[in-house]
Amino acid sequence: AQSVSQHNHHVILSEAASLELGCNYSYGGTVNLFWYVQYPGQHLQLLLKYFSGDPLVKGIKGFEAEFIKSKFSFNLRKPSVQWSDTAEYFCAVQSYNTDKLIFGTGTRLQVFP
Amino acid sequence: NAGVTQTPKFQVLKTGQSMTLQCAQDMNHEYMSWYRQDPGMGLRLIHYSVGAGITDQGEVPNGYNVSRSTTEDFPLRLLSAAPSQTSVYFCASSYGQGTPHSPNTEAFFGQGTRLTVV
Repeated sequence: AQSVSQHNHHVILSEAASLELGCNYSYGGTVNLFWYVQYPGQHLQLLLKYFSGDPLVKGIKGFEAEFIKSKFSFNLRKPSVQWSDTAEYFCAVQSYNTDKLIFGTGTRLQVFP
Repeated sequence: NAGVTQTPKFQVLKTGQSMTLQCAQDMNHEYMSWYRQDPGMGLRLIHYSVGAGITDQGEVPNGYNVSRSTTEDFPLRLLSAAPSQTSVYFCASSYGQGTPHSPNTEAFFGQGTRLTVV
């Protein structure tokens, strides 16, 4: 069965600091990988996705993520965070076989000016 | 283009009552799903459907029923509400199975239904 682990539950940063959020998944087959963001009081929005090809994918708002197959990881990065990045971030994995999209428990990011 | 529409936005139920959360999408997506979001637990998949007439269980299906009679609609039924079902419920839809040849599998989410069972 698919599962996703996000080890950072709550991250607090100052503006301009660099960000890296960890995501590891468990599944033996081929997967698609996603990062979603949920701003306070809003629904989830896609930040970036990986299907195949270049393991370094770039998303909106300066975010990027790197797929490392050998480590079953898909960590999210941003070189310089802004106050407006305060949100909850979810990693998700979708298997080719089942279509199910399974989410991690989320990481709450707070950025202070 | 409305995207994914959920109704109601807020609901309070008494223990034992039944209700249906509505979800409709106008993007002709094959794949639809229901999640519940609870603090510290992220989003957990309740039920999903890969097309009209086809449904399957997710991670936490107990206490919930679904049906998919049309491509557009995917209602979630609570037969006998319990306080443990207090949560925020999200409906999502996408084109379907993800492969490199069909990259439009981004899931679009509704605005959510905040349900309280007392």
